[in-house]
Amino acid sequence: QSVLTQPPSVSGAPGQRVTISCTGSSSNIGAGYDVHWYQHLPGTAPKLLIYGNSNRPSGVPDRFSGSKSGTSASLAITGLQAEDEADYYCQSYDSSLSGWVFGGGTKLTVL
Amino acid sequence: QITLKESGPTLVKPTQTLTLTCTFSGFSLSNSGVGVGWIRQPPGKALEWLALIYWNDDKRYSPSLKSRLTITKDTSKNQVVLTMTNMDPVDTATYYCVYSSSGYYYAWGQGTLVTVSS
Repeated sequence: QSVLTQPPSVSGAPGQRVTISCTGSSSNIGAGYDVHWYQHLPGTAPKLLIYGNSNRPSGVPDRFSGSKSGTSASLAITGLQAEDEADYYCQSYDSSLSGWVFGGGTKLTVL
Repeated sequence: QITLKESGPTLVKPTQTLTLTCTFSGFSLSNSGVGVGWIRQPPGKALEWLALIYWNDDKRYSPSLKSRLTITKDTSKNQVVLTMTNMDPVDTATYYCVYSSSGYYYAWGQGTLVTVSS
């Protein structure tokens, strides 16, 4: 069981907006550690999507946005496209474990 | 442009030691703040952080695997090596080398699938 909890799956129709939650605790997200998000397409390496809770690396469309509040964080994807179908992972640091932790991943299906 | 590439055996036997090498370019592991780490993903499962080494040779390990892992760097060769002892079939996974900055993984290698089987 992952330290950071994500829904196993979410889905949406093209053009719609979906959100993926990432719930942690007082030793990671709630302690103020940043949350980062990755997109993982089958057969490829994961790609950094959001860093520092809400920042997009160069080249990531502004359809992707991140936020953080309390012990949770969220990834929002607007204007859903077929190419967004992938697994999404959140990541943070955990002071109790003295290491970095990932969520269990969320599979996004574009209907 | 930052690139990383993993190399090592694709098949190891149970109880053997796995040695993986990450060869990178586009940055120097002697620059302040830079780190190179390893992350793995068992088939059908989530990503798991394993280890990280910083420019100043500070090393961090996953608590659950710390006794089995060793990470080292050769700055002159632009390489980072991960060793994992006492391999078990549950360690079958794709192992990724990553470039780390400020706690996140900006660049990833293509990954290498390691199967543990007799």
